[in-house]
Amino acid sequence: EDQVTQSPEALRLQEGESSSLNCSYTVSGLRGLFWYRQDPGKGPEFLFTLYSAGEEKEKERLKATLTKKESFLHITAPKPEDSATYLCAVTTGANNLFFGTGTRLTVIP
Amino acid sequence: GAGVSQSPRYKVAKRGQDVALRCDPISGHVSLFWYQQALGQGPEFLTYFQNEAQLDKSGLPSDRFFAERPEGSVSTLKIQRTQQEDSAVYLCASSLRREVSYEQYFGPGTRLTVT
Repeated sequence: EDQVTQSPEALRLQEGESSSLNCSYTVSGLRGLFWYRQDPGKGPEFLFTLYSAGEEKEKERLKATLTKKESFLHITAPKPEDSATYLCAVTTGANNLFFGTGTRLTVIP
Repeated sequence: GAGVSQSPRYKVAKRGQDVALRCDPISGHVSLFWYQQALGQGPEFLTYFQNEAQLDKSGLPSDRFFAERPEGSVSTLKIQRTQQEDSAVYLCASSLRREVSYEQYFGPGTRLTVT
């Protein structure tokens, strides 16, 4: 059975304190792994798509990496505005994304 | 440019009432998805349209749930005889291409509360 597990469930960082969020997956035939950011009361906002092991993508303070078993979302020198829930999702070519439960990030000024 | 819009943003229904939730996808987007998100959980797939064709409805939890996209643009998710367990945020997403491996863009969601 396909599984996506995100850890930690919640993370509190001081402003400027870099860290990583983890998304581990067990799926048959990964076709893509997605990272989304979700603010309270809003829909998920697309961040990155990764397709193959070894791939990396960056956007401002965020960097996403992919291995054959997991993906990391690295946050460098976070700011309070980076506080949100970060969702990981995978697709195996079926007609949907399969989401994890998210990591709730709080960045304290 | 304009993103995915959903209406209403909030809906309160008494148990047993029918509700209709609307999604306006990004113009020109071929694929449209509906997801259900419970509090503290990730979105869960309900159904998928490619243009006007509903290609997958495997995630619809019961035959009380019905979705349509008659002209390949606006979509409506209808829930008949609402139950308390239907309370959730209903998210719509659209994608430019047919391939599910292409990025999906989400609307703000409709929060449904069944009392």
